[in-house]
Amino acid sequence: DTGVSQNPRHKITKRGQNVTFRCDPISEHNRLYWYRQTLGQGPEFLTYFQNEAQLEKSRLLSDRFSAERPKGSFSTLEIQRTEQGDSAMYLCASSSDQYFGPGTRLTVL
Amino acid sequence: GQNIDQPTEMTATEGAIVQINCTYQTSGFNGLFWYQQHAGEAPTFLSYNVLDGLEEKGRFSSFLSRSKGYSYLLLKELQMKDSASYLCAVYNTDKLIFGTGTRLQVFP
Repeated sequence: DTGVSQNPRHKITKRGQNVTFRCDPISEHNRLYWYRQTLGQGPEFLTYFQNEAQLEKSRLLSDRFSAERPKGSFSTLEIQRTEQGDSAMYLCASSSDQYFGPGTRLTVL
Repeated sequence: GQNIDQPTEMTATEGAIVQINCTYQTSGFNGLFWYQQHAGEAPTFLSYNVLDGLEEKGRFSSFLSRSKGYSYLLLKELQMKDSASYLCAVYNTDKLIFGTGTRLQVFP
Protein backbone atom coordinates (compact mmCIF):
# COMPACT_ATOMS: atom_id res chain seq x y z
CA ASP A 1 0.00 0.00 0.00
CA THR A 2 1.50 3.33 -1.02
CA GLY A 3 -0.93 5.58 0.83
CA VAL A 4 -0.47 7.58 4.02
CA SER A 5 -0.41 5.37 7.11
CA GLN A 6 -0.90 6.30 10.76
CA ASN A 7 -0.33 4.37 13.96
CA PRO A 8 -1.96 3.61 16.23
CA ARG A 9 -5.47 3.83 14.82
CA HIS A 10 -6.97 4.17 18.27
CA LYS A 11 -5.49 5.28 21.58
CA ILE A 12 -7.20 5.42 24.95
CA THR A 13 -5.25 7.04 27.73
CA LYS A 14 -5.75 8.52 31.15
CA ARG A 15 -5.55 12.23 31.74
CA GLY A 16 -2.00 13.33 32.47
CA GLN A 17 -0.33 10.61 30.41
CA ASN A 18 1.88 11.26 27.39
CA VAL A 19 0.99 9.86 23.98
CA THR A 20 2.84 9.68 20.67
CA PHE A 21 1.40 9.14 17.22
CA ARG A 22 3.23 8.26 14.04
CA CYS A 23 2.55 9.15 10.41
CA ASP A 24 4.24 7.63 7.37
CA PRO A 25 3.56 9.78 4.30
CA ILE A 26 3.60 8.75 0.67
CA SER A 27 7.30 8.24 0.03
CA GLU A 28 7.90 10.84 -2.67
CA HIS A 29 5.93 13.59 -0.93
CA ASN A 30 8.00 16.33 0.71
CA ARG A 31 5.20 17.94 2.67
CA LEU A 32 3.52 16.44 5.69
CA TYR A 33 0.64 18.00 7.61
CA TRP A 34 -1.05 17.35 10.95
CA TYR A 35 -4.69 18.25 11.56
CA ARG A 36 -7.05 17.68 14.47
CA GLN A 37 -10.75 16.99 14.12
CA THR A 38 -13.36 16.99 16.86
CA LEU A 39 -16.87 15.62 16.52
CA GLY A 40 -19.08 17.64 14.20
CA GLN A 41 -16.29 19.93 13.09
CA GLY A 42 -13.99 20.10 10.11
CA PRO A 43 -10.30 19.34 10.57
CA GLU A 44 -8.15 22.13 12.03
CA PHE A 45 -4.57 22.72 10.96
CA LEU A 46 -1.91 22.02 13.58
CA THR A 47 1.47 22.06 11.83
CA TYR A 48 3.32 21.11 8.68
CA PHE A 49 6.78 20.06 7.52
CA GLN A 50 8.67 20.56 4.29
CA ASN A 51 11.11 17.66 4.42
CA GLU A 52 12.51 17.80 7.98
CA ALA A 53 11.81 21.51 8.54
CA GLN A 54 8.74 22.45 10.55
CA LEU A 55 7.51 25.51 8.66
CA GLU A 56 4.36 26.53 10.48
CA LYS A 57 2.63 25.83 13.78
CA SER A 58 -0.93 26.77 14.64
CA ARG A 59 -1.75 28.61 17.84
CA LEU A 60 -3.81 25.49 18.60
CA LEU A 61 -0.51 23.69 19.17
CA SER A 62 0.14 24.44 22.83
CA ASP A 63 3.50 23.78 24.45
CA ARG A 64 2.22 20.32 25.43
CA PHE A 65 2.29 19.37 21.75
CA SER A 66 5.44 18.68 19.80
CA ALA A 67 5.95 17.31 16.32
CA GLU A 68 9.06 16.04 14.62
CA ARG A 69 10.02 14.72 11.23
CA PRO A 70 13.57 13.40 11.49
CA LYS A 71 15.27 12.82 8.14
CA GLY A 72 12.21 14.12 6.32
CA SER A 73 10.47 10.76 6.30
CA PHE A 74 7.93 9.72 8.95
CA SER A 75 6.62 12.18 11.52
CA THR A 76 5.63 11.89 15.16
CA LEU A 77 3.19 14.00 17.13
CA GLU A 78 3.56 13.88 20.91
CA ILE A 79 1.08 15.20 23.43
CA GLN A 80 2.34 15.57 26.97
CA ARG A 81 0.14 15.64 30.07
CA THR A 82 -2.99 14.86 28.08
CA GLU A 83 -6.27 16.57 28.93
CA GLN A 84 -9.81 15.50 28.16
CA GLY A 85 -10.03 18.33 25.63
CA ASP A 86 -7.32 16.61 23.59
CA SER A 87 -9.77 13.85 22.67
CA ALA A 88 -10.09 14.05 18.90
CA MET A 89 -9.13 12.42 15.63
CA TYR A 90 -5.55 13.34 14.66
CA LEU A 91 -5.10 13.32 10.92
CA CYS A 92 -1.93 13.31 8.88
CA ALA A 93 -1.89 14.47 5.26
CA SER A 94 0.78 14.20 2.59
CA SER A 95 1.83 16.70 -0.11
CA SER A 96 0.19 19.90 -1.28
CA ASP A 97 -2.72 17.85 -2.60
CA GLN A 98 -3.51 16.76 0.95
CA TYR A 99 -3.98 13.01 0.82
CA PHE A 100 -5.13 12.03 4.29
CA GLY A 101 -4.16 9.01 6.31
CA PRO A 102 -6.76 6.98 8.25
CA GLY A 103 -6.24 9.02 11.41
CA THR A 104 -5.55 8.24 15.05
CA ARG A 105 -8.54 8.52 17.34
CA LEU A 106 -7.47 9.66 20.80
CA THR A 107 -9.72 9.28 23.82
CA VAL A 108 -8.55 10.81 27.08
CA LEU A 109 -10.38 9.50 30.13
CA GLY B 1 -10.40 36.46 9.54
CA GLN B 2 -11.13 33.13 7.92
CA ASN B 3 -14.71 32.07 7.36
CA ILE B 4 -16.05 29.10 5.43
CA ASP B 5 -19.78 28.45 5.47
CA GLN B 6 -21.72 25.42 4.34
CA PRO B 7 -25.11 24.04 5.39
CA THR B 8 -24.99 21.75 8.39
CA GLU B 9 -27.32 19.07 7.08
CA MET B 10 -29.08 18.09 3.87
CA THR B 11 -31.32 15.22 2.89
CA ALA B 12 -32.05 13.77 -0.53
CA THR B 13 -33.58 10.74 -2.19
CA GLU B 14 -31.73 7.93 -3.90
CA GLY B 15 -31.34 8.68 -7.63
CA ALA B 16 -31.79 12.42 -7.17
CA ILE B 17 -29.36 15.32 -7.62
CA VAL B 18 -28.10 17.41 -4.71
CA GLN B 19 -26.03 20.60 -4.63
CA ILE B 20 -23.98 21.48 -1.57
CA ASN B 21 -22.96 25.12 -1.42
CA CYS B 22 -19.89 26.64 0.18
CA THR B 23 -19.05 30.31 0.62
CA TYR B 24 -15.72 31.53 1.86
CA GLN B 25 -13.94 34.65 3.04
CA THR B 26 -10.25 34.03 3.58
CA SER B 27 -7.13 36.17 3.68
CA GLY B 28 -5.63 34.20 0.81
CA PHE B 29 -6.76 31.69 -1.79
CA ASN B 30 -4.80 29.05 -3.64
CA GLY B 31 -7.64 26.71 -4.52
CA LEU B 32 -10.66 24.94 -3.09
CA PHE B 33 -10.98 21.28 -2.16
CA TRP B 34 -14.00 19.09 -1.58
CA TYR B 35 -13.70 15.97 0.55
CA GLN B 36 -16.08 13.18 1.47
CA GLN B 37 -15.93 11.81 5.00
CA HIS B 38 -17.83 8.79 6.30
CA ALA B 39 -18.41 8.60 10.03
CA GLY B 40 -15.27 7.61 11.90
CA GLU B 41 -13.09 7.69 8.80
CA ALA B 42 -10.59 10.12 7.33
CA PRO B 43 -11.57 12.60 4.59
CA THR B 44 -11.15 11.32 1.04
CA PHE B 45 -10.38 13.68 -1.81
CA LEU B 46 -13.17 14.45 -4.27
CA SER B 47 -12.15 17.53 -6.24
CA TYR B 48 -9.87 20.54 -6.46
CA ASN B 49 -10.74 23.81 -8.19
CA VAL B 50 -8.25 26.61 -8.67
CA LEU B 51 -9.78 28.36 -11.69
CA ASP B 52 -13.36 29.52 -12.15
CA GLY B 53 -15.73 27.07 -13.71
CA LEU B 54 -17.02 23.55 -13.49
CA GLU B 55 -14.91 20.42 -12.98
CA GLU B 56 -16.72 17.17 -13.71
CA LYS B 57 -15.64 13.78 -12.45
CA GLY B 58 -18.15 11.01 -12.93
CA ARG B 59 -21.22 11.54 -10.76
CA PHE B 60 -19.53 14.42 -8.91
CA SER B 61 -18.95 17.95 -10.21
CA SER B 62 -17.52 21.00 -8.47
CA PHE B 63 -17.91 24.64 -9.40
CA LEU B 64 -15.89 27.67 -8.36
CA SER B 65 -16.42 31.41 -8.62
CA ARG B 66 -13.47 33.23 -7.09
CA SER B 67 -15.02 36.68 -7.50
CA LYS B 68 -18.06 35.59 -5.48
CA GLY B 69 -16.17 33.46 -2.96
CA TYR B 70 -18.47 30.60 -3.82
CA SER B 71 -18.27 26.94 -4.69
CA TYR B 72 -20.67 24.06 -4.93
CA LEU B 73 -20.44 20.31 -5.11
CA LEU B 74 -23.02 18.60 -7.30
CA LEU B 75 -23.81 14.95 -6.75
CA LYS B 76 -25.88 13.18 -9.40
CA GLU B 77 -27.68 9.82 -9.36
CA LEU B 78 -27.42 9.66 -5.60
CA GLN B 79 -26.70 6.31 -4.02
CA MET B 80 -27.16 5.22 -0.42
CA LYS B 81 -23.38 5.03 -0.03
CA ASP B 82 -23.21 8.80 -0.69
CA SER B 83 -24.56 9.37 2.83
CA ALA B 84 -21.59 11.09 4.44
CA SER B 85 -20.22 14.48 5.43
CA TYR B 86 -18.90 16.71 2.67
CA LEU B 87 -16.14 19.11 3.60
CA CYS B 88 -15.30 22.30 1.76
CA ALA B 89 -11.73 23.52 2.34
CA VAL B 90 -9.77 26.52 1.09
CA TYR B 91 -6.08 26.05 0.40
CA ASN B 92 -4.51 29.16 1.89
CA THR B 93 -0.79 29.79 2.37
CA ASP B 94 0.21 26.14 2.38
CA LYS B 95 -2.56 24.74 4.54
CA LEU B 96 -6.23 23.82 4.35
CA ILE B 97 -8.93 25.75 6.16
CA PHE B 98 -12.05 23.64 6.49
CA GLY B 99 -15.70 24.41 6.90
CA THR B 100 -17.63 22.43 9.48
CA GLY B 101 -18.95 20.06 6.82
CA THR B 102 -22.38 19.22 5.43
CA ARG B 103 -23.92 15.99 6.60
CA LEU B 104 -25.85 14.45 3.71
CA GLN B 105 -28.40 11.72 4.31
CA VAL B 106 -29.68 9.80 1.30
CA PHE B 107 -33.03 8.04 1.74
CA PRO B 108 -34.39 5.21 -0.39
